[in-house]
Amino acid sequence: QKEVEQDPGPLSVPEGAIVSLNCTYSNSAFQYFMWYRQYSRKGPELLMYTYSSGNKEDGRFTAQVDKSSKYISLFIRDSQPSDSATYLCAMMRAGANNLFFGTGTRLTVIP
Amino acid sequence: SAVISQKPSRDICQRGTSLTIQCQVDSQVTMMFWYRQQPGQSLTLIATANQGSEATYESGFVIDKFPISRPNLTFSTLTVSNMSPEDSSIYLCSVHGSGEETQYFGPGTRLLVL
Repeated sequence: QKEVEQDPGPLSVPEGAIVSLNCTYSNSAFQYFMWYRQYSRKGPELLMYTYSSGNKEDGRFTAQVDKSSKYISLFIRDSQPSDSATYLCAMMRAGANNLFFGTGTRLTVIP
Repeated sequence: SAVISQKPSRDICQRGTSLTIQCQVDSQVTMMFWYRQQPGQSLTLIATANQGSEATYESGFVIDKFPISRPNLTFSTLTVSNMSPEDSSIYLCSVHGSGEETQYFGPGTRLLVL
């Protein structure tokens, strides 16, 4: 079983839609949770960073962590064509350096 | 966040040869990390590079195949040795965020081995 599972998509939505991206994980020791956005031929760009359970909002982006279910989500409101990219979830144990990534979900927002 | 650059951005190499990838950061950092992103797979940590000590390799990665240098606090190199087509991948370096338990990534080096 992989440490982190993520639906690879692809996911296509119309402009303005609410997008929900999700990951599940198996290691209850994960404490730090991240979402990265990766445009084609670019490196991953940090979008959201949360510690332990709860919600965090930044503009059109909301990250949720449910540690009891080992489930994290990223919501994108009012999606734009510029949001078209691959979204990677990542997580890490406290005191560790190794980020564990999902395989990424490819999102296309259609104008 | 730190600004990270990598050279080369991409390369096409013949099997059996070696390629050295450079990573430069615009600030001093204690640790630098090297990841591999194979097609359709998740990013996987190859090794952690500390200045002044040997790199620490993750399970499945060995120094003979991926030698790493860390001559100062802003620079590191990863060499992919005796390459085979299975080494075709994107190689990324990253650093810790200042005061954060997260990492920032460089633009990556896209390697194709024929």
